[in-house]
Amino acid sequence: GQSLEQPSEVTAVEGAIVQINCTYQTSGFYGLSWYQQHDGGAPTFLSYNALDGLEETGRFSSFLSRSDSYGYLLLQELQMKDSASYFCAVRALTGGGNKLTFGTGTQLKVEL
Amino acid sequence: DAGVIQSPRHEVTEMGQEVTLRCKPISGHNSLFWYRQTMMRGLELLIYFNNNVPIDDSGMPEDRFSAKMPNASFSTLKIQPSEPRDSAVYFCASSSRTDSLEAFFGQGTRLTVV
Repeated sequence: GQSLEQPSEVTAVEGAIVQINCTYQTSGFYGLSWYQQHDGGAPTFLSYNALDGLEETGRFSSFLSRSDSYGYLLLQELQMKDSASYFCAVRALTGGGNKLTFGTGTQLKVEL
Repeated sequence: DAGVIQSPRHEVTEMGQEVTLRCKPISGHNSLFWYRQTMMRGLELLIYFNNNVPIDDSGMPEDRFSAKMPNASFSTLKIQPSEPRDSAVYFCASSSRTDSLEAFFGQGTRLTVV
């Protein structure tokens, strides 16, 4: 099966940079993606990595090291609206399909 | 496109009743996922379909849960009989390809079983 680990909670101040780590264990790894979810809302896609390295999308960047089974989401110039839960998700090839499994989520609190 | 559409948005039902949750994926998407979200267990993958065919239902908690996808534009998740521990938010998501790393979620159905 698949397992993913993330910190449960991270706190940072407005304007700062924060990194949310994710380690995973899976066979048939295809890629790692990141989602944001505000309270009462649905998860929305932020970024993905299929290959090693850094992907940048505006204030958000995501990194992957396949050899270390590790990735992170980097949020820069934090804003109050970034307070939300962030999930890493692994897509892995299993028995005829590509399964998308989510981590337990990291709650980010941005303070003034 | 209107995105992934789920109905109903909220459902309150009595224990023992049958509950049916509905999902319309984004047109042209060929992967569909059903997730359940609770505070205790996070986002659990229940079942997923590729090209309308169920691929992996190992996350379905019990025989009381069943899911179907009769065509590319519609899927249902049924719970019969429902129990209070089934109370959760149920999300449907779709992706454009079976190997896509980007999934689009519906707004979810908040189910309360009393």
